[in-house]
Amino acid sequence: KQEVTQIPAALSVPEGENLVLNCSFTDSAIYNLQWFRQDPGKGLTSLLLIQSSQREQTSGRLNASLDKSSGRSTLYIAASQPGDSATYLCAVFSGGYNKLIFGAGTRLAVHP
Amino acid sequence: NAGVTQTPKFQVLKTGQSMTLQCAQDMNHNSMYWYRQDPGMGLRLIYYSASEGTTDKGEVPNGYNVSRLNKREFSLRLESAAPSQTSVYFCASSEGYATNEKLFFGSGTQLSVL
Repeated sequence: KQEVTQIPAALSVPEGENLVLNCSFTDSAIYNLQWFRQDPGKGLTSLLLIQSSQREQTSGRLNASLDKSSGRSTLYIAASQPGDSATYLCAVFSGGYNKLIFGAGTRLAVHP
Repeated sequence: NAGVTQTPKFQVLKTGQSMTLQCAQDMNHNSMYWYRQDPGMGLRLIYYSASEGTTDKGEVPNGYNVSRLNKREFSLRLESAAPSQTSVYFCASSEGYATNEKLFFGSGTQLSVL
Protein backbone atom coordinates (compact mmCIF):
# COMPACT_ATOMS: atom_id res chain seq x y z
CA LYS A 1 0.00 0.00 0.00
CA GLN A 2 1.32 3.41 -0.96
CA GLU A 3 1.63 5.75 2.00
CA VAL A 4 2.86 9.33 1.93
CA THR A 5 4.31 10.92 5.04
CA GLN A 6 5.30 14.52 5.62
CA ILE A 7 7.55 15.59 8.44
CA PRO A 8 7.36 17.87 10.31
CA ALA A 9 3.61 18.40 10.66
CA ALA A 10 4.22 22.04 11.57
CA LEU A 11 7.14 24.43 11.28
CA SER A 12 7.68 28.00 12.44
CA VAL A 13 10.68 30.00 11.16
CA PRO A 14 11.82 33.62 11.11
CA GLU A 15 11.64 35.56 7.89
CA GLY A 16 14.66 35.16 5.61
CA GLU A 17 15.51 31.62 6.64
CA ASN A 18 16.07 28.89 4.07
CA LEU A 19 14.03 25.81 4.87
CA VAL A 20 13.37 22.26 3.76
CA LEU A 21 10.11 20.34 3.86
CA ASN A 22 10.23 16.57 3.64
CA CYS A 23 8.01 14.02 1.95
CA SER A 24 8.49 10.25 1.93
CA PHE A 25 6.57 7.50 0.17
CA THR A 26 6.62 3.74 0.65
CA ASP A 27 6.30 2.47 -2.93
CA SER A 28 8.92 3.80 -5.34
CA ALA A 29 6.88 2.84 -8.43
CA ILE A 30 5.49 6.31 -9.07
CA TYR A 31 4.76 8.28 -12.23
CA ASN A 32 5.21 11.70 -10.68
CA LEU A 33 5.24 13.69 -7.48
CA GLN A 34 3.55 17.05 -6.98
CA TRP A 35 3.94 19.71 -4.33
CA PHE A 36 0.90 21.82 -3.51
CA ARG A 37 0.27 24.89 -1.42
CA GLN A 38 -2.97 25.36 0.52
CA ASP A 39 -3.94 28.65 2.13
CA PRO A 40 -6.51 28.61 4.97
CA GLY A 41 -10.03 28.19 3.65
CA LYS A 42 -8.80 27.80 0.10
CA GLY A 43 -8.17 25.08 -2.41
CA LEU A 44 -4.80 23.65 -3.37
CA THR A 45 -2.44 25.27 -5.83
CA SER A 46 0.04 23.09 -7.68
CA LEU A 47 3.57 24.43 -7.18
CA LEU A 48 5.84 21.89 -8.83
CA LEU A 49 5.41 18.58 -10.63
CA ILE A 50 8.38 16.22 -10.93
CA GLN A 51 8.16 13.36 -13.39
CA SER A 52 9.57 10.01 -12.28
CA SER A 53 12.50 10.41 -14.70
CA GLN A 54 13.46 13.81 -13.29
CA ARG A 55 15.57 14.65 -10.26
CA GLU A 56 14.38 18.18 -9.55
CA GLN A 57 12.22 21.09 -10.59
CA THR A 58 12.62 24.78 -9.82
CA SER A 59 10.22 27.69 -9.75
CA GLY A 60 11.44 30.99 -8.39
CA ARG A 61 12.51 30.50 -4.77
CA LEU A 62 11.21 26.92 -4.73
CA ASN A 63 13.20 23.84 -5.59
CA ALA A 64 11.83 20.33 -5.34
CA SER A 65 13.99 17.22 -5.56
CA LEU A 66 13.02 13.60 -6.04
CA ASP A 67 14.92 10.46 -5.08
CA LYS A 68 12.71 7.60 -6.23
CA SER A 69 14.96 4.81 -5.01
CA SER A 70 14.89 6.04 -1.43
CA GLY A 71 11.24 7.16 -1.62
CA ARG A 72 11.94 10.78 -0.72
CA SER A 73 11.29 14.28 -1.94
CA THR A 74 12.23 17.63 -0.48
CA LEU A 75 10.83 21.08 -1.09
CA TYR A 76 13.43 23.79 -0.54
CA ILE A 77 12.21 27.33 0.05
CA ALA A 78 14.89 30.01 -0.18
CA ALA A 79 14.76 33.28 1.74
CA SER A 80 11.36 32.59 3.28
CA GLN A 81 8.78 35.39 3.53
CA PRO A 82 5.62 35.80 5.63
CA GLY A 83 3.62 35.32 2.43
CA ASP A 84 4.98 31.76 2.26
CA SER A 85 2.93 30.86 5.34
CA ALA A 86 0.57 28.07 4.27
CA THR A 87 0.20 24.30 4.37
CA TYR A 88 2.36 22.42 1.88
CA LEU A 89 1.22 19.02 0.66
CA CYS A 90 2.99 16.47 -1.46
CA ALA A 91 1.24 13.83 -3.51
CA VAL A 92 2.44 10.91 -5.62
CA PHE A 93 0.75 9.34 -8.60
CA SER A 94 1.26 5.59 -8.45
CA GLY A 95 0.41 3.51 -11.48
CA GLY A 96 -0.35 0.49 -9.36
CA TYR A 97 -3.01 2.41 -7.46
CA ASN A 98 -4.00 4.58 -10.43
CA LYS A 99 -4.57 7.67 -8.35
CA LEU A 100 -2.90 10.59 -6.65
CA ILE A 101 -2.11 9.85 -2.98
CA PHE A 102 -1.60 12.80 -0.64
CA GLY A 103 0.40 13.34 2.49
CA ALA A 104 -1.22 15.15 5.43
CA GLY A 105 0.84 18.29 4.85
CA THR A 106 3.32 20.53 6.68
CA ARG A 107 1.87 23.72 8.15
CA LEU A 108 4.46 26.48 7.71
CA ALA A 109 4.45 29.79 9.56
CA VAL A 110 7.03 32.44 8.61
CA HIS A 111 7.09 35.26 11.14
CA PRO A 112 8.54 38.75 10.57
CA ASN B 1 -10.08 33.39 -14.92
CA ALA B 2 -12.68 31.37 -13.01
CA GLY B 3 -10.84 28.01 -13.19
CA VAL B 4 -12.72 25.50 -11.03
CA THR B 5 -15.88 26.79 -9.36
CA GLN B 6 -17.65 24.94 -6.54
CA THR B 7 -20.97 25.68 -4.94
CA PRO B 8 -22.00 26.03 -2.20
CA LYS B 9 -19.05 27.19 -0.06
CA PHE B 10 -20.73 26.18 3.21
CA GLN B 11 -23.57 23.81 4.03
CA VAL B 12 -25.13 22.42 7.19
CA LEU B 13 -27.27 19.30 6.90
CA LYS B 14 -29.21 17.14 9.29
CA THR B 15 -28.56 13.42 9.32
CA GLY B 16 -30.52 11.76 6.53
CA GLN B 17 -30.88 14.84 4.34
CA SER B 18 -29.62 14.83 0.78
CA MET B 19 -27.73 17.42 -1.20
CA THR B 20 -25.70 17.89 -4.36
CA LEU B 21 -22.36 19.69 -4.58
CA GLN B 22 -21.81 21.37 -7.90
CA CYS B 23 -18.51 21.79 -9.73
CA ALA B 24 -17.71 23.41 -13.06
CA GLN B 25 -14.43 24.11 -14.85
CA ASP B 26 -13.81 26.44 -17.75
CA MET B 27 -10.39 25.15 -18.83
CA ASN B 28 -11.71 22.50 -21.26
CA HIS B 29 -10.19 19.80 -19.07
CA ASN B 30 -11.01 16.16 -19.72
CA SER B 31 -10.62 14.81 -16.18
CA MET B 32 -12.41 15.85 -13.00
CA TYR B 33 -12.20 14.67 -9.40
CA TRP B 34 -13.90 14.89 -6.03
CA TYR B 35 -11.79 14.76 -2.86
CA ARG B 36 -12.53 15.10 0.81
CA GLN B 37 -10.13 16.55 3.35
CA ASP B 38 -10.33 15.73 7.04
CA PRO B 39 -8.20 17.24 9.85
CA GLY B 40 -4.75 15.69 10.08
CA MET B 41 -5.25 13.64 6.94
CA GLY B 42 -4.34 14.11 3.36
CA LEU B 43 -6.95 14.46 0.67
CA ARG B 44 -8.79 11.26 -0.20
CA LEU B 45 -10.31 10.60 -3.58
CA ILE B 46 -14.05 9.94 -3.57
CA TYR B 47 -14.82 9.62 -7.29
CA TYR B 48 -13.23 10.70 -10.51
CA SER B 49 -14.14 11.08 -14.15
CA ALA B 50 -11.17 10.44 -16.42
CA SER B 51 -13.10 11.69 -19.43
CA GLU B 52 -16.58 12.87 -20.32
CA GLY B 53 -19.03 10.00 -20.05
CA THR B 54 -17.01 7.94 -17.57
CA THR B 55 -16.90 7.85 -13.77
CA ASP B 56 -14.98 5.60 -11.39
CA LYS B 57 -14.76 5.03 -7.66
CA GLY B 58 -11.84 6.34 -5.68
CA GLU B 59 -10.71 5.42 -2.17
CA VAL B 60 -13.84 6.40 -0.22
CA PRO B 61 -16.92 6.21 -2.50
CA ASN B 62 -19.45 4.80 -0.01
CA GLY B 63 -22.38 7.14 0.61
CA TYR B 64 -21.73 9.23 -2.51
CA ASN B 65 -22.79 9.31 -6.13
CA VAL B 66 -21.50 11.42 -9.00
CA SER B 67 -22.67 12.66 -12.36
CA ARG B 68 -20.47 13.94 -15.17
CA LEU B 69 -23.15 16.12 -16.69
CA ASN B 70 -20.98 17.31 -19.57
CA LYS B 71 -17.33 18.14 -20.11
CA ARG B 72 -17.53 21.18 -17.83
CA GLU B 73 -19.59 19.89 -14.91
CA PHE B 74 -19.12 17.14 -12.34
CA SER B 75 -21.52 16.91 -9.41
CA LEU B 76 -21.31 14.99 -6.14
CA ARG B 77 -24.48 13.81 -4.40
CA LEU B 78 -24.99 12.71 -0.82
CA GLU B 79 -28.21 10.69 -0.78
CA SER B 80 -28.56 10.34 2.99
CA ALA B 81 -26.01 12.43 4.85
CA ALA B 82 -24.25 11.00 7.91
CA PRO B 83 -22.10 12.78 10.54
CA SER B 84 -19.07 10.86 9.18
CA GLN B 85 -19.46 12.88 5.98
CA THR B 86 -18.65 16.11 7.78
CA SER B 87 -15.61 17.30 5.88
CA VAL B 88 -14.25 19.80 3.40
CA TYR B 89 -14.92 18.74 -0.17
CA PHE B 90 -12.75 19.76 -3.10
CA CYS B 91 -13.38 19.43 -6.79
CA ALA B 92 -10.39 19.36 -9.11
CA SER B 93 -9.69 19.04 -12.81
CA SER B 94 -6.78 18.23 -15.09
CA GLU B 95 -6.20 18.28 -18.81
CA GLY B 96 -5.77 14.52 -18.91
CA TYR B 97 -6.02 11.81 -16.28
CA ALA B 98 -3.56 12.60 -13.51
CA THR B 99 -0.57 10.57 -14.70
CA ASN B 100 1.48 13.58 -15.75
CA GLU B 101 -0.84 16.48 -15.27
CA LYS B 102 -1.10 19.29 -12.78
CA LEU B 103 -4.37 19.37 -10.89
CA PHE B 104 -6.38 22.57 -10.50
CA PHE B 105 -8.59 22.81 -7.43
CA GLY B 106 -11.74 24.66 -6.49
CA SER B 107 -11.91 26.59 -3.21
CA GLY B 108 -13.83 23.88 -1.38
CA THR B 109 -17.18 23.24 0.29
CA GLN B 110 -17.27 23.00 4.06
CA LEU B 111 -20.01 20.54 4.96
CA SER B 112 -21.30 19.85 8.46
CA VAL B 113 -23.74 17.01 9.11
CA LEU B 114 -25.49 17.23 12.48
